[in-house]
Amino acid sequence: QKEVEQNSGPLSVPEGAIASLNCTYSDRVSQSFFWYRQYSGKSPELIMSIYSNGDKEDGRFTAQLNKASQYVSLLIRDSQPSDSATYLCAERVAGNQFYFGTGTSLTVIP
Amino acid sequence: GAVVSQHPSWVICKSGTSVKIECRSLDFQATTMFWYRQFPKQSLMLMATSNEGSKATYEQGVEKDKFLINHASLTLSTLTVTSAHPEDSSFYICSARFGRLNYGYTFGSGTRLTVV
Repeated sequence: QKEVEQNSGPLSVPEGAIASLNCTYSDRVSQSFFWYRQYSGKSPELIMSIYSNGDKEDGRFTAQLNKASQYVSLLIRDSQPSDSATYLCAERVAGNQFYFGTGTSLTVIP
Repeated sequence: GAVVSQHPSWVICKSGTSVKIECRSLDFQATTMFWYRQFPKQSLMLMATSNEGSKATYEQGVEKDKFLINHASLTLSTLTVTSAHPEDSSFYICSARFGRLNYGYTFGSGTRLTVV
C-alpha cells in the first residue's frame, strides 16, 4: 500500500484553541486527499476533501494541501470537546485506490 | 445523499461458522465498493475492492477463499467471512465511491464481528 503518514498523537488542545493535524504522503501521483473523523467504535465520516494546492475552508475546518512538499493538514478552529476523535487522512491515487493514514487522536479539553 | 447501509452492525458467532455482511447503497449506484478491516486502535486496512459484475480484487495477504465478496448488483455488495476464527474478530467497514469528477467515498456504519 502507498504510504500516508500521520502523527498518532495523542494531541490535546484546550477548548477554543486551534487544533492542527498533519499528514504526509510519499506517492507523487496522489490525486486527492480526504480528512475523516472517527469516533470510537463508529465508522469514519467525511469532513473535507481537497484536490488543489492551497487552502479550503468549511466552517471551523480548513484543509491545506502542498503538493510540492507532499503534505496535507487540517486545522480546526475554536475546538470543541465534541471534536475529540481520531482523525484519518486518506489519499486517492490513480487507479481508484484509496489509502488511509494511521490516524491522529485528538482530545479537546474543556 | 450518498448513504451506504451496512448490516448487521454487530454479530457474535462461533468458531467455524460463516458470517455474511451486507452493504447497500441507498440513493446512488455503487459500481465499486471497498471493504476494510480495522483492529482496535489501528487504522483502516483495505481488504478488497469489489466491482459490480466481476471478481473482487484482494489486497496482498487477504485470503480470497476466506473472505468471499459478491457484488451482484449496483446497490449491493456482500462480504462473507467463512470458517471464522477468533483472530477474525474485528470491525469491518464497507465504502463506496460517489460523485463523478472530484468524487469521494462514503462509509457504511461498520460491522463489529466477534468470533467466540
